[in-house]
Amino acid sequence: DIQMTQSPSSLSASVGDRVTITCRASQSISSYLNWYQQKPGKAPKLLIYAASSLQSGVPSRFSGSGSGTDFTLTISSLQPEDFATYYCQQSYSTPWGFGQGTRLEIK
Amino acid sequence: QVQLVQSGAEVKKPGASVKVSCKASGYTFTSYDINWVRQATGQGLEWMGWMNPNSGNTGYAQKFQGRVTMTRNTSISTAYMELSSLRSEDTAVYYCARTIIRGDEVAFDIWGQGTMVTVSS
Repeated sequence: DIQMTQSPSSLSASVGDRVTITCRASQSISSYLNWYQQKPGKAPKLLIYAASSLQSGVPSRFSGSGSGTDFTLTISSLQPEDFATYYCQQSYSTPWGFGQGTRLEIK
Repeated sequence: QVQLVQSGAEVKKPGASVKVSCKASGYTFTSYDINWVRQATGQGLEWMGWMNPNSGNTGYAQKFQGRVTMTRNTSISTAYMELSSLRSEDTAVYYCARTIIRGDEVAFDIWGQGTMVTVSS
């Protein structure tokens, strides 16, 4: 199985900050990488698919990059509604595993 | 609008089975695979498997092989996930999620609201 590792596990930032979250795969997954946002008590929401494609309706301050084993999710200017937990997911091969999550908290 | 609506919370005893439903609306049910993902309290997301509502074909994570069964009733646009031989470690929120395919990329674009399953004696 492909293991997905996110860093950091948690992060404190302020409104307006630029934030980057990293996801590393245990083997090359080309660009088969998705990012989700989850708020407490809610289902995950798809933000980015295929490593860098923005899902419809997602604000342009979110962006994704990377290929192979190393990927990043960047939020260019944090907004109050962005404080949540973020997960990466590989869709290269089943089982379609997720990273352990990165909790983004208000500083 | 496009949505998946899941059945309500369940409390089960160890060794029992649970069956969670996921009703689709706003799109053609048989055109998109359904996945099941679970999340223990305070923990991350764990993919359990997928089902093609058109063919009924399924694929399960090795961890759940032999214990999970994913089925559907196309006449009512509803997918089901049944987990048997429940143990306390199965206590979690269970989500269904629709698969989208862009080129050959797969992602989960619509999620149900989640169903809490508690396993307790």
